[in-house]
Amino acid sequence: AQTVTQSQPEMSVQEAETVTLSCTYDTSENNYYLFWYKQPPSRQMILVIRQEAYKQQNATENRFSVNFQKAAKSFSLKISDSQLGDTAMYFCAFMSPNAGNNRKLIWGLGTSLAVNP
Amino acid sequence: NAGVTQTPKFQVLKTGQSMTLQCAQDMNHEYMSWYRQDPGMGLRLIHYSVGAGITDQGEVPNGYNVSRSTTEDFPLRLLSAAPSQTSVYFCASSYWREATYEQYFGPGTRLTVT
Repeated sequence: AQTVTQSQPEMSVQEAETVTLSCTYDTSENNYYLFWYKQPPSRQMILVIRQEAYKQQNATENRFSVNFQKAAKSFSLKISDSQLGDTAMYFCAFMSPNAGNNRKLIWGLGTSLAVNP
Repeated sequence: NAGVTQTPKFQVLKTGQSMTLQCAQDMNHEYMSWYRQDPGMGLRLIHYSVGAGITDQGEVPNGYNVSRSTTEDFPLRLLSAAPSQTSVYFCASSYWREATYEQYFGPGTRLTVT
């Protein structure tokens, strides 16, 4: 069975600094998708970044980038120039498009990030 | 597009009462799902649907029913509310086409069962 592990329940960073959130996963699939979602205090789930496993290039969205290491099954999120608005819970998720999985997302338990002024 | 909408935003029920959480999407997505979120437990899948007329159970289906009579709507019914169902509930819709996959979430419903 596929699993997603976020080993850091809580993290903090100073405003304007860089922080990296870790995520590891376990799967026997070769084709899959990985996601980072942000959940601020408003509770809304917001997609931060997405990585397709067949792409070797790491995904980047403005200040957010990932370090995707397929062989190591690692998918970390780097936030550069941290802002107060980045304070949120961050969830890593995995999805296999294999028809037998019905495209269900497998979720990590989340990392609570606090950006301090 | 309104995206994914959920009603109500907040609800308090007494043990044993029943109710329906509404979810609707206007993006013509075939796939919809319901999650519950509890502290320290992440998101857990309750039920999901891969298209109108087709539903299936997720990780924690007990105490909940769903139906999917239209592409747009995917209501979640609590048959007889229990305090263990106190949680935040999220509805989501998604699409997958070739190499593109995206999932959109509703704003959530905070349910308290006393």
